[in-house]
Amino acid sequence: NAGVTQTPKFRVLKTGQSMTLLCAQDMNHEYMYWYRQDPGMGLRLIHYSVGEGTTAKGEVPDGYNVSRLKKQNFLLGLESAAPSQTSVYFCASSSSPTNTEAFFGQGTRLTVV
Amino acid sequence: ELKVEQNPLFLSMQEGKNYTIYCNYSTTSDRLYWYRQDPGKSLESLFVLLSNGAVKQEGRLMASLDTKARLSTLHITAAVHDLSATYFCAGEGSGGSNYKLTFGKGTLLTVNP
Repeated sequence: NAGVTQTPKFRVLKTGQSMTLLCAQDMNHEYMYWYRQDPGMGLRLIHYSVGEGTTAKGEVPDGYNVSRLKKQNFLLGLESAAPSQTSVYFCASSSSPTNTEAFFGQGTRLTVV
Repeated sequence: ELKVEQNPLFLSMQEGKNYTIYCNYSTTSDRLYWYRQDPGKSLESLFVLLSNGAVKQEGRLMASLDTKARLSTLHITAAVHDLSATYFCAGEGSGGSNYKLTFGKGTLLTVNP
């Protein structure tokens, strides 16, 4: 059972470079989320999607863009990476409004130098 | 907007001792979740608490929910080293944002021999 899969698992970027993080889930979940985790800050929601073709801003959306062209995939893009975006990024999914239990991917550790 | 506050943020325990982690939340939340995260790993769901007075137990961990007090607790009984991890509580928003989970900052639990 794959569940939620994130790629890549590690990445080092130079300031100003761009990249895309891919999240794929095989549970047919409607809702998908991108969080970032920083020491002492818990998990903060970046963007989320309530279904194919929809996206919405979370708590800390600046500097990120997302797309959900297919139900199973949720992409997180950094157009011009900044050192403040050094973090661990987690993708999660949940099935419906009546079942919001979130299942998490393994995380992507991103360092921007 | 839902706010979730955990305390303590750091907890060092001796094996065999009991302790409680507290999770307060600011507004009505339909569900309350507890997650565990081992160092460098993803988040694993521990408990889902669905209603006032709900109590769930798994091994040495017991979670409870008091919706009137807007408080959930995670009680650790006779701690063992394997319980060392970071524990997060997360509340589900109400009404139109009930599919988004808001996380506390986490409690880093260290169980010492």
